[in-house]
Amino acid sequence: GENVEQHPSTLSVQEGDSAVIKCTYSDSASNYFPWYKQELGKGPQLIIDIRSNVGEKKDQRIAVTLNKTAKHFSLHITETQPEDSAVYFCAASRPGANNLFFGTGTRLTVIP
Amino acid sequence: DGGITQSPKYLFRKEGQNVTLSCEQNLNHDAMYWYRQDPGQGLRLIYYSQIVNDFQKGDIAEGYSVSREKKESFPLTVTSAQKNPTAFYLCASSIPWTGGRNQPQHFGDGTRLSIL
Repeated sequence: GENVEQHPSTLSVQEGDSAVIKCTYSDSASNYFPWYKQELGKGPQLIIDIRSNVGEKKDQRIAVTLNKTAKHFSLHITETQPEDSAVYFCAASRPGANNLFFGTGTRLTVIP
Repeated sequence: DGGITQSPKYLFRKEGQNVTLSCEQNLNHDAMYWYRQDPGQGLRLIYYSQIVNDFQKGDIAEGYSVSREKKESFPLTVTSAQKNPTAFYLCASSIPWTGGRNQPQHFGDGTRLSIL
């Protein structure tokens, strides 16, 4: 089955700096890669996603890049703010079903 | 507002008891999912349902059961056979996989289950 690895497990940045979280996946058939943000005591919230026919996608301060050959994808947050502090999860999904395989999460702390 | 409602937020279970976690959605989504989240781990799929009256086991279904009698509701029962039930349980929903495109899943705010 699919195996998704996520690094780093924790990340601290100064407010205004950029943050990068990286994920690798094992199943070359996976073609959908969402990113979720989870705040304490809440459910994950979808923040951006990318499909395998696209190499990069941006939404304001958030961007995701995908390298299908290397089977890795990354989340980039620019101009970080304290409210960006949360746990971020990457996930991968194969065609034919919506089942998601999640990474183990990255706890991002933005220091004011 | 459309969304997913999970209840209760906190649940305590005695050894040997079955408990049922509620998940209701008003997003008109056909597909619903249950995940388990443990500290330091990602979410793991317990059960999913693509349509009413149909559901499939996920990666960790042992000790759990579900039903899908209504489109809006997908309750999860944690049975006494589940050896380590203490966890954060998350319900999600989506429109079905269609036309070759996976669809985003939207999550509720979870139920935290603890064993007394």
